[in-house]
Amino acid sequence: KNQVEQSPQSLIILEGKNCTLQCNYTVSPFSNLRWYKQDTGRGPVSLTIMTFSENTKSNGRYTATLDADTKQSSLHITASQLSDSASYICVVTPANQAGTALIFGKGTTLSVSS
Amino acid sequence: EPEVTQTPSHQVTQMGQEVILRCVPISNHLYFYWYRQILGQKVEFLVSFYNNEISEKSEIFDDQFSVERPDGSNFTLKIRSTKLEDSAMYFCASSDDVGLLAGGFFGPGTRLTVL
Repeated sequence: KNQVEQSPQSLIILEGKNCTLQCNYTVSPFSNLRWYKQDTGRGPVSLTIMTFSENTKSNGRYTATLDADTKQSSLHITASQLSDSASYICVVTPANQAGTALIFGKGTTLSVSS
Repeated sequence: EPEVTQTPSHQVTQMGQEVILRCVPISNHLYFYWYRQILGQKVEFLVSFYNNEISEKSEIFDDQFSVERPDGSNFTLKIRSTKLEDSAMYFCASSDDVGLLAGGFFGPGTRLTVL
């Protein structure tokens, strides 16, 4: 069964610190993997998207990595800010479908405190 | 910056009633999606729509659900007879290709509460 598992479930860090969020998936074959940021009560906003052949993708203070062999991805946030407080969701697109049925993880809830 | 818009932001309805959730995708996008997120749970795919027809749907999208693009700008999700378990946040999304490379732009969501 295609699944996306994220860890930790929640995380609290101090402003200015770095953190790394993990994503393990069983989707195979897959087309791409995305990380989204979702503020409370809002729609997800895309941070990074990587195809199966890419290893890393950066977007400002966000850096995503992908290891297709171990089926793991991580999202590293550098110099965290209070506005980084949100849910971060790992999403995988299976390759054997039309590519429209995204499979979402449950997300990691990040709280950045001052 | 172009964005997906959704109306209403919050809809309260009685069980058994029909509801229509509305979305205006980004104007040059061709692929449209509906997702839902039950409180505290992960986002779930409902349906995708392209070229005026459903291209893919999940098990959740049963006969109670339907989608329509009534004109060149709106994309709607209709729930024919709402159940308590339909209470969730419903997100519309659009993209300019099949989604393989596009980020997929999500709307702000409609919170549906079924009483």
